[in-house]
Amino acid sequence: SAVISQKPSRDICQRGTSLTIQCQVDSQVTMMFWYRQQPGQSLTLIATANQGSEATYESGFVIDKFPISRPNLTFSTLTVSNMSPEDSSIYLCSVRLAGGSSREQYFGPGTRLTVT
Amino acid sequence: DAKTTQPTSMDCAEGRAANLPCNHSTISGNEYVYWYRQIHSQGPQYIIHGLKNNETNEMASLIITEDRKSSTLILPHATLRDTAVYYCIVRATGANNLFFGTGTRLTVIP
Repeated sequence: SAVISQKPSRDICQRGTSLTIQCQVDSQVTMMFWYRQQPGQSLTLIATANQGSEATYESGFVIDKFPISRPNLTFSTLTVSNMSPEDSSIYLCSVRLAGGSSREQYFGPGTRLTVT
Repeated sequence: DAKTTQPTSMDCAEGRAANLPCNHSTISGNEYVYWYRQIHSQGPQYIIHGLKNNETNEMASLIITEDRKSSTLILPHATLRDTAVYYCIVRATGANNLFFGTGTRLTVIP
């Protein structure tokens, strides 16, 4: 398994501002993903973070709203831009590890964002 | 990825086996069945996965029917800490990500 940390663990932000969430993994990973979980809902994949290139976004999510960086194999950031109350969610980083069973996927503890 | 169907909620008495069903009637030959759970205020936790054979690990057992159209996750001796939402997911070999449905909310009752 892997230890995945996210910063911040939670934040309360004003509308119109932006927040950058960091994800750090203690192991080498092949894939990194960002998910969103709106209140009372299941998880929705936002994008796949690609090392050294632009992230791959799922339908309904765009780079201008959710810019993502992945400068190396174990670190990624997700920015929630120009926030509105509808962006209030838990944002989760997820990884697939290099080596071992590549079919297992692990999740960070999440960042709980409240936009007022 | 194939769609899965799970009951919205289930209860289980503490110490008894919890059997969580999942239907995936449109599963393809190269799709694995995964189970994750999410305890309140935490990220999802991997439990187990399988292709067509039954699997067992320290957390649970996974029983997949011969036609692979359904499966059951078994927690042999449920504890209060097993109260969580359990997600059954099918994913093809080589697919990069997991798509979550609504899951089953399991409540373990003292």
